[in-house]
Amino acid sequence: DSGVTQTPKHLITATGQRVTLRCSPRSGDLSVYWYQQSLDQGLQFLIQYYNGEERAKGNILERFSAQQFPDLHSELNLSSLELGDSALYFCASSGAGVTQETQYFGPGTRLLVL
Amino acid sequence: AQSVTQPDIHITVSEGASLELRCNYSYGATPYLFWYVQSPGQGLQLLLKYFSGDTLVQGIKGFEAEFKRSQSSFNLRKPSVHWSDAAEYFCAVATTSGTYKYIFGTGTRLKVLA
Repeated sequence: DSGVTQTPKHLITATGQRVTLRCSPRSGDLSVYWYQQSLDQGLQFLIQYYNGEERAKGNILERFSAQQFPDLHSELNLSSLELGDSALYFCASSGAGVTQETQYFGPGTRLLVL
Repeated sequence: AQSVTQPDIHITVSEGASLELRCNYSYGATPYLFWYVQSPGQGLQLLLKYFSGDTLVQGIKGFEAEFKRSQSSFNLRKPSVHWSDAAEYFCAVATTSGTYKYIFGTGTRLKVLA
């Protein structure tokens, strides 16, 4: 158990809908990362937050957004969903959000868009 | 542009045999290098990482990796594989300056024969 929790574990929705994925980092970690794992694209870094502020952006679509709240939990919002958004979405956390740190991954949220 | 190549999609070894998983990267300088393992239905777990110094890095679960600058490689090795090592293994590269980028390889799925 990495100490990172993600909810829900599974999500089934329809095209055009909007969903919110939630992540709680390990106790004491200030940085949260979001990743997408799909058969087509493999594992991709989406976005990083540190202590409530966006720190780095990867291959995140404009239809996707994220935020980190004062209690350090983070949410990833996916809107206008398409079939191709079906994937496993991972959240990871680390202490200070620097590259050299170990990132601890949650178990993921599996999203299926029908 | 930075990239990571894991040439072997699947590898099968017998329990007790040695293992080497290949990883090649493309980056203008020496990047930060990581190996992760993903067991079925699980998130990623960091096995080891390399930033600088000794080019032979020891990790958890008996794994090691060797950084070879001349070959732009960071291969993962284990002298004797256990059945519980069956999983998917990902090599990752992170930039050391400029815009943050964290790039994963496509993964190598390891099957262990009893």
